[in-house]
Amino acid sequence: KAGVTQTPRYLIKTRGQQVTLSCSPISGHRSVSWYQQTPGQGLQFLFEYFSETQRNKGNFPGRFSGRQFSNSRSEMNVSTLELGDSALYLCASSLGGSVTGELFFGEGSRLTVL
Amino acid sequence: SQQGEEDPQALSIQEGENATMNCSYKTSINNLQWYRQNSGRGLVHLILIRSNEREKHSGRLRVTLDTSKKSSSLLITASRAADTASYFCATDRSNDYKLSFGAGTTVTVRA
Repeated sequence: KAGVTQTPRYLIKTRGQQVTLSCSPISGHRSVSWYQQTPGQGLQFLFEYFSETQRNKGNFPGRFSGRQFSNSRSEMNVSTLELGDSALYLCASSLGGSVTGELFFGEGSRLTVL
Repeated sequence: SQQGEEDPQALSIQEGENATMNCSYKTSINNLQWYRQNSGRGLVHLILIRSNEREKHSGRLRVTLDTSKKSSSLLITASRAADTASYFCATDRSNDYKLSFGAGTTVTVRA
């Protein structure tokens, strides 16, 4: 069965622009979580969606937003990009939720902000 | 802020040796999970241990959990070059359904 797919894998943006990242979970998984990974801050939780509803949110500014569609695919959007938004953005899917069992991660989208 | 903190930050061992890393956390948890990440790639789930469990095994991995000390350890026995990776513990606090990751331990296995 196909794994978690994230697109694009790499992207370069400039300050002030906005970006949309996409995540297709494993078939049948209803939960999608997003994490930001940087060398300085490690893995930081962004948000989790379950059946199209945001179930939980991390401590990120409102420039970071997300949504989940009826087919469980999820997107996250970052508006007004800042240099500090450069990071590896990881998406993970699970059957029942991030805290109930195994998370399956995608390979990530590496965002560079110039 | 991160709930879990791994120790040591980095570990270098010879192939065939055992590797042990520790994770400490601050508040009560439901579960604790360990993940592995190869350089710049996605994380791979290794093992989940529930708060009412003390020890769990999976192949060459052994995880212990001491809720009184709020700590866990991951032991990799008979290490191989392919075990070179970063290892993260992840915890969910009892009253907060978010999974928080520690800063990770980077393990290098020398041939």
